[in-house]
Amino acid sequence: KAGVTQTPRYLIKTRGQQVTLSCSPISGHRSVSWYQQTPGQGLQFLFEYFSETQRNKGNFPGRFSGRQFSNSRSEMNVSTLELGDSALYLCASRRTQGQGLSGELFFGEGSRLTVL
Amino acid sequence: QKEVEQNSGPLSVPEGAIASLNCTYSDRGSQSFFWYRQYSGKSPELIMFIYSNGDKEDGRFTAQLNKASQYVSLLIRDSQPSDSATYLCAVKDGGFQKLVFGTGTRLLVSP
Repeated sequence: KAGVTQTPRYLIKTRGQQVTLSCSPISGHRSVSWYQQTPGQGLQFLFEYFSETQRNKGNFPGRFSGRQFSNSRSEMNVSTLELGDSALYLCASRRTQGQGLSGELFFGEGSRLTVL
Repeated sequence: QKEVEQNSGPLSVPEGAIASLNCTYSDRGSQSFFWYRQYSGKSPELIMFIYSNGDKEDGRFTAQLNKASQYVSLLIRDSQPSDSATYLCAVKDGGFQKLVFGTGTRLLVSP
């Protein structure tokens, strides 16, 4: 069973540009979450999508947005990039469990964004 | 804002010793608790979860939960150098709630 796939793995952008990251969840998982990881702040939750609807949202500015497609693949977009957006962006999927979602996240290998 | 707090470490233990990692959380309504391990340059992976007060054992790992005191801990017995990693505590409410992660504790096990 294929794991969570993220593309691209590495990218370099300059301030003011925008970037789109892609994530394909494990087959059958309808939930996709996005996290930003930096050395100082740890793992910060961005948002979560389930069946094409945003179910949870973290405390990030509106420059960070996402969407989910009918095949559960998800994209996140960061507009007007700032130096502080340099980070590892992790995508994770999880399965449904009962009336909710499992607490077990399966992470992709991440997309490392450098903003110059 | 729901918070999960961990000591960033590093926590240094000799090989064969017991490593004790602790985590406190702010939301009394939290229902389930998870420990993830993250090796340097890798993504986090789940190693333990616990829902009920008390201890849960899985091999060399034991998770302990005390809801009244709002803390959860992870004990690693017979620590090995391969256990050297960052351990992330995560907390979830019921249903579709997101997981809230602590900043992680870095564990170093010396041979």
